[in-house]
Amino acid sequence: EAQVTQNPRYLITVTGKKLTVTCSQNMNHEYMSWYRQDPGLGLRQIYYSMNVEVTDKGDVPEGYKVSRKEKRNFPLILESPSPNQTSLYFCASSFPLAKANEQFFGPGTRLTVL
Amino acid sequence: KQEVTQIPAALSVPEGENLVLNCSFTDSAIYNLQWFRQDPGKGLTSLLLIQSSQREQTSGRLNASLDKSSGRSTLYIAASQPGDSATYLCAVEPGYQKVTFGTGTKLQVIP
Repeated sequence: EAQVTQNPRYLITVTGKKLTVTCSQNMNHEYMSWYRQDPGLGLRQIYYSMNVEVTDKGDVPEGYKVSRKEKRNFPLILESPSPNQTSLYFCASSFPLAKANEQFFGPGTRLTVL
Repeated sequence: KQEVTQIPAALSVPEGENLVLNCSFTDSAIYNLQWFRQDPGKGLTSLLLIQSSQREQTSGRLNASLDKSSGRSTLYIAASQPGDSATYLCAVEPGYQKVTFGTGTKLQVIP
């Protein structure tokens, strides 16, 4: 089944404790991105990646890191999480040459930073 | 900077009614526009994608139109059903780059 998976789905952590949220897709998509969703602010793009070893900042990259060492994986790293990073996070992937870059989303990761 | 606005923020209609959701954007230089639905606590499901060269797309009871020059898109839902209750989001993409989402319209269809 074609899908985007994220792990963990739920995470409660404390300020300053490094964490990684994994994202994996099995559709051989080139393009992957991370979003956060907050009430009243909608979805905002954190980082995106055009292909392996190619990443760029979205609208809200501060406090986050990403890497794209393999085509299928795009982990989101919070080196020193803070309470303002409490949010619902989504990973998405797409294949730009097919169906005009239609994006497919993972199920989301709900992160709480205490 | 691209800004995407969706009006209304919430909408409640009786079952069977036809309805229109609106999406407006400030920069007409877009590659495509995509409509999604999001159910509470769930991820996003793609509904329709309109490329910049297209005027509309249809899928079942859904029809999305795009007017780049005026910076507007509409999502038309025919014969609404309680199962259509969800939040509807539009997103615009300038190319293989940043994607900007609207804040969504929360739709409730009352049986």
